[in-house]
Amino acid sequence: KAGVTQTPRYLIKTRGQQVTLSCSPISGHRSVSWYQQTPGQGLQFLFEYFSETQRNKGNFPGRFSGRQFSNSRSEMNVSTLELGDSALYLCASSLAYVGSLNEKLFFGSGTQLSVL
Amino acid sequence: QKEVEQDPGPLSVPEGAIVSLNCTYSNSAFQYFMWYRQYSRKGPELLMYTYSSGNKEDGRFTAQVDKSSKYISLFIRDSQPSDSATYLCAMSRSYGGATNKLIFGTGTLLAVQP
Repeated sequence: KAGVTQTPRYLIKTRGQQVTLSCSPISGHRSVSWYQQTPGQGLQFLFEYFSETQRNKGNFPGRFSGRQFSNSRSEMNVSTLELGDSALYLCASSLAYVGSLNEKLFFGSGTQLSVL
Repeated sequence: QKEVEQDPGPLSVPEGAIVSLNCTYSNSAFQYFMWYRQYSRKGPELLMYTYSSGNKEDGRFTAQVDKSSKYISLFIRDSQPSDSATYLCAMSRSYGGATNKLIFGTGTLLAVQP
């Protein structure tokens, strides 16, 4: 069974640009969560989508947005990039939504974003 | 104060040693506890999953939860160089709902020296 697939693997952008990251969950998984990982802050929750609806959102500015398609694939968008947005962006999928009682998250390898 | 605290390390041990990794937490509502292993340039991989207090063993790995002390541990027996990675603890509350989410520790970097 294929795992969580994230594209692209690496991305270099300049300040002010926008970026779109893509995530394909494990087949049959309907929940997709996004995390930002930095050396200083660790894993920080961005948002979670389940059946095309955003179920939960972390404490990130409105420049960070996402969506989920009917086939459960998800995209994350960051507009007006800042230097501090440089991070590893991880997507995770699960069978049930994270608010259910038995969720297990399976992560992709991430997209390493560098903002210059 | 963070909800979940984890010593970032690095922790360096010789091959064959017993490794103890720990997390403390402040929210008594946490009931589900997980350990993830993350190799360099990879996403976290689920290693252990436990509910409430007690021990769970899987091969060389043992997860221990002490809810009275708000303390969880991961023990690795007969550690191998291939165990060198960052270990992240994660936990979530006992009830469902839209606001529930996994809270992660910042991770402990482990290096097992051959």
